Amino acid sequence: DAGVIQSPRHEVTEMGQEVTLRCKPISGHDYLFWYRQTMMRGLELLIYFNNNVPIDDSGMPEDRFSAKMPNASFSTLKIQPSEPRDSAVYFCASSRGQGGNNEQFFGPGTRLTVL
Amino acid sequence: LAKTTQPISMDSYEGQEVNITCSHNNIATNDYITWYQQFPSQGPRFIIQGYKTKVTNEVASLFIPADRKSSTLSLPRVSLSDTAVYYCLVGEKAAGNKLTFGGGTRVLVKP
Repeated sequence: DAGVIQSPRHEVTEMGQEVTLRCKPISGHDYLFWYRQTMMRGLELLIYFNNNVPIDDSGMPEDRFSAKMPNASFSTLKIQPSEPRDSAVYFCASSRGQGGNNEQFFGPGTRLTVL
Repeated sequence: LAKTTQPISMDSYEGQEVNITCSHNNIATNDYITWYQQFPSQGPRFIIQGYKTKVTNEVASLFIPADRKSSTLSLPRVSLSDTAVYYCLVGEKAAGNKLTFGGGTRVLVKP
């Protein structure tokens, strides 16, 4: 298996633009997680899905952030409009079973820079 | 809101044992404690997971006291390649069992 795949690996955009991050989880995994990592706040869970259904989005910082999982092999995290404070590394992870009690497999991340 | 806390950094030398303690005094009742390792420009990677007492695998041991309010990751005989950031992950009861990473411990292994 290729592991969790994220695209793009790097994204540079200007404030106000829409940004879409993409994730392909490991086949057979029923949980998918989106995390954000910054120096100031560390690793934060934004939202997670179980069987394509959003379960907990309490970590999504604002209405500017939205996430979808239209099928078991694809998820997107969208920021619209983007702001400089959204600059961070965004990780997608997947697991077989609930993420707190099972190993999560992380993708390589997308480094987002908002100018 | 209780936080999951770890030391910011620690230094060690090759061949020594490194012990990192994570404090999670509001851990969710049914949740495990998981530790991850992260190298620069990579996503975190699973190291070990446990619920109580002691767990050992080929790379580390995890010690969890009976009250489960803390856990200690033990890396035996570290090498230079163990230089990384180590995170503990638990479900926090006060946050609705939300998965919460500790702030990470930066371990530097010196020759």
